[in-house]
Amino acid sequence: AQKITQTQPGMFVQEKEAVTLDCTYDTSDPSYGLFWYKQPSSGEMIFLIYQGSYDQQNATEGRYSLNFQKARKSANLVISASQLGDSAMYFCAMRERTGGFKTIFGAGTRLFVKA
Amino acid sequence: DTGVSQDPRHKITKRGQNVTFRCDPISEHNRLYWYRQTLGQGPEFLTYFQNEAQLEKSRLLSDRFSAERPKGSFSTLEIQRTEQGDSAMYLCASNPGPTGEKLFFGSGTQLSVL
Repeated sequence: AQKITQTQPGMFVQEKEAVTLDCTYDTSDPSYGLFWYKQPSSGEMIFLIYQGSYDQQNATEGRYSLNFQKARKSANLVISASQLGDSAMYFCAMRERTGGFKTIFGAGTRLFVKA
Repeated sequence: DTGVSQDPRHKITKRGQNVTFRCDPISEHNRLYWYRQTLGQGPEFLTYFQNEAQLEKSRLLSDRFSAERPKGSFSTLEIQRTEQGDSAMYLCASNPGPTGEKLFFGSGTQLSVL
């Protein structure tokens, strides 16, 4: 069964606007962590933001925020004030205690930022 | 701290040949992971180590794949009798331990099987 689902293969956003990338996950483990990574065309995986399952507040890192809705099992990434350099693949990922704390990834969303 | 390094960056081989990749994690990182990524897809988990112990190997991994981390430092991933379907980017990542908040990735080894 799919553990991480990213339903948007591609997204377009105008420069300086905000964009939301969707992610839903499936777990029965009460202890888990959710991540977003960015992969530019150069290929390196860049960590963006982390949310623990017990965290009460949504995580924020600069222009990135994670909209965590635990009951809905969603962990959407919000990028504010998009920049041309934000054009990349974005992956949602999850780490579970029952999975031995290994991290599994979704299929990704390709974001295109238009000037 | 020099980051996670992988060698080689690119490997071209003929079908049926064996290949070996190396990963040097960040020093003192106990956990080391191998992933495979094909074009336009997310990284697919292959296997991971806690120090020198291989804790899990993906069921998707055939017996042609083997990984080692003999002294709990660097790791090697070997693919025997390569097939065209093995063509992919092989990513290595490490973190300090089970509850480390993020993975530190290497630049990957791009394998092309002709």
